[in-house]
Amino acid sequence: GENVEQHPSTLSVQEGDSAVIKCTYSDSASNYFPWYKQELGKRPQLIIDIRSNVGEKKDQRIAVTLNKTAKHFSLHITETQPEDSAVYFCAVVGFGNEKLTFGTGTRLTIIP
Amino acid sequence: ETGVTQTPRHLVMGMTNKKSLKCEQHLGHNAMYWYKQSAKKPLELMFVYSLEERVENNSVPSRFSPECPNSSHLFLHLHTLQPEDSALYLCASSQEPRNEQFFGPGTRLTVL
Repeated sequence: GENVEQHPSTLSVQEGDSAVIKCTYSDSASNYFPWYKQELGKRPQLIIDIRSNVGEKKDQRIAVTLNKTAKHFSLHITETQPEDSAVYFCAVVGFGNEKLTFGTGTRLTIIP
Repeated sequence: ETGVTQTPRHLVMGMTNKKSLKCEQHLGHNAMYWYKQSAKKPLELMFVYSLEERVENNSVPSRFSPECPNSSHLFLHLHTLQPEDSALYLCASSQEPRNEQFFGPGTRLTVL
């Protein structure tokens, strides 16, 4: 089955700086890569996703890059703000697969 | 957020009890999911239902029994659970697995 690794497990960033979280996956046929944000005590919510036919996608301060050859994708948050503090999960859906496999999560803390 | 609702929000049960968790989605989605969230495994997929058919059973012990009577409702029947089953159980729905999943607020389960 799909194996998804996420790094780092914790990340502290000064407010205003950038944060980068990276995930690697094992199934080269995987073709959908979402990122979810879970604030303390709340449910996970999708913040951005990318499909295998594009290499990068941006939405304001958030961007995701995908390297299919190396089988890794990354979340980039620029100009970080205190409300960015949360746990971030990457996920992967394989081709012909109904299953979303999540990474182990990154706890991001923005230091004011 | 009322798209996906779960009841009860908190549940305490003994190892010999039988209880059920309920999930309801009002988004017209075709796929529904059960996840287990604990400190050891942050987001662990348990079951996937697509068009009311179970398409994924992620090696979950038989003491967890899902039921999907229609596309809007999903149940998780629990019996003879173990203390290590204590966790947050999240329900989610999506139009299909390669689209955004919307999560419910979760049921915090404690097994004594």
